[in-house]
Amino acid sequence: DSGVTQTPKHLITATGQRVTLRCSPRSGDLSVYWYQQSLDQGLQFLIQYYNGEERAKGNILERFSAQQFPDLHSELNLSSLELGDSALYFCASSVEVHSGGYTFGSGTRLTVV
Amino acid sequence: GQQVMQIPQYQHVQEGEDFTTYCNSSTTLSNIQWYKQRPGGHPVFLIQLVKSGEVKKQKRLTFQFGEAKKNSSLHITATQTTDVGTYFCAGINTGTASKLTFGTGTRLQVTL
Repeated sequence: DSGVTQTPKHLITATGQRVTLRCSPRSGDLSVYWYQQSLDQGLQFLIQYYNGEERAKGNILERFSAQQFPDLHSELNLSSLELGDSALYFCASSVEVHSGGYTFGSGTRLTVV
Repeated sequence: GQQVMQIPQYQHVQEGEDFTTYCNSSTTLSNIQWYKQRPGGHPVFLIQLVKSGEVKKQKRLTFQFGEAKKNSSLHITATQTTDVGTYFCAGINTGTASKLTFGTGTRLQVTL
């Protein structure tokens, strides 16, 4: 157990639907990061939050949004889902920005059918 | 935008052989990190290098950060089957926001 909790572990949904992925960072970590990993692909940075505020944005689609709540957990919302959105979505956390390695959760595997 | 490439994309070795993966960034990095992802697992942080020319060792693993801070390497001596997985380098571009850009990864397969 890395200390970063992601739910659900698996999600199967139809095209056009909307889903919410949830992440609880490791205790004491203020930064949360979301990454997308498609089959046999690398990790694509989506978005970063630090202590409730958006800090950096990657190639995140307009159909996707995220937020970090006062208790530091984060949610990634994916809407108008397409087949190509099927992927592993990882959340990671760190104490501070640039503070060293990220701790990753076990991911949410999203399958859009 | 920043690109981080790794070579080779895939390597298959016999147990006991050495393995090296190379990481090259299109921009100068403030630091480089290395992660390992086992099949079906999540990335696990291995190490961070910050200084130009820095070399760090973890048992059979040797990590190096290039003098120009644009490249890095991971060398594994005498591979074991437990080394199987994908190795990613990741770097933060100097002077930009905190986005950690991951390399394309090198998948290592080790057989007996």
